[in-house]
Amino acid sequence: EVQLLESGGGLVQPGGSLRLSCAASGFTFSSYAMSWVRQVPGKGLEWVSGISGSGGNTYYADSVKGRFTISRDSSNNTLYLQMNSLRAEDTAVYYCAKDLRSGSLQGAFDYWGQGTLVTVSS
Amino acid sequence: AIRMTQSPSSFSASTGDRVIITCRASQGISSYLAWYQQKPGKAPKLLIYAASTLQSGVPSRFSGSGSGTDFTLSISCLQSEDFATYYCQQYYSYPWTFGQGTKVEIK
Repeated sequence: EVQLLESGGGLVQPGGSLRLSCAASGFTFSSYAMSWVRQVPGKGLEWVSGISGSGGNTYYADSVKGRFTISRDSSNNTLYLQMNSLRAEDTAVYYCAKDLRSGSLQGAFDYWGQGTLVTVSS
Repeated sequence: AIRMTQSPSSFSASTGDRVIITCRASQGISSYLAWYQQKPGKAPKLLIYAASTLQSGVPSRFSGSGSGTDFTLSISCLQSEDFATYYCQQYYSYPWTFGQGTKVEIK
């Protein structure tokens, strides 16, 4: 059974940093691209960043480019999102999501974690 | 970025109704479109990908169609568990983008 479990969310001050983790199980982690998608409570979905199965290719939304870094560790089946220079508008639930098909990033997500809430506030 | 526009933003329907949600892309995206269902407090669930391919385990009352810029999600006979918010998403080009959502409420 595929499982994705996010952690690392919490309250952080503007300008601060946070690292999110997503522990994956139930599939060959290194074969699938992964993404982070966020959702302001009560609002819509926003794709944040994606990474290929090998980790060699990464992509970002303009809203986080230069501030967030996506990475993965296939030795422990974990996806990360390092978030720096956080702003109030980064407040959201952050989901990790698995690509539907193995290979390069493709963009349809068949499994999602339960989400972790990041609150940026003083 | 490609803008995805869904209509309507919300509507009320009754169990047994046939409902159609539309999604329009600001430029052509071929068939690189997915539909998701989200219930309050839960993660989105993939319903349809490649515009018209039903994800494994999704009931056949759900169907998708379209290509290029105009797409539809149809639910042939609305069930109680279908009351939720639905999102379209393009994965034709980065940044991947979602529609604003369509909330289906009980009439």
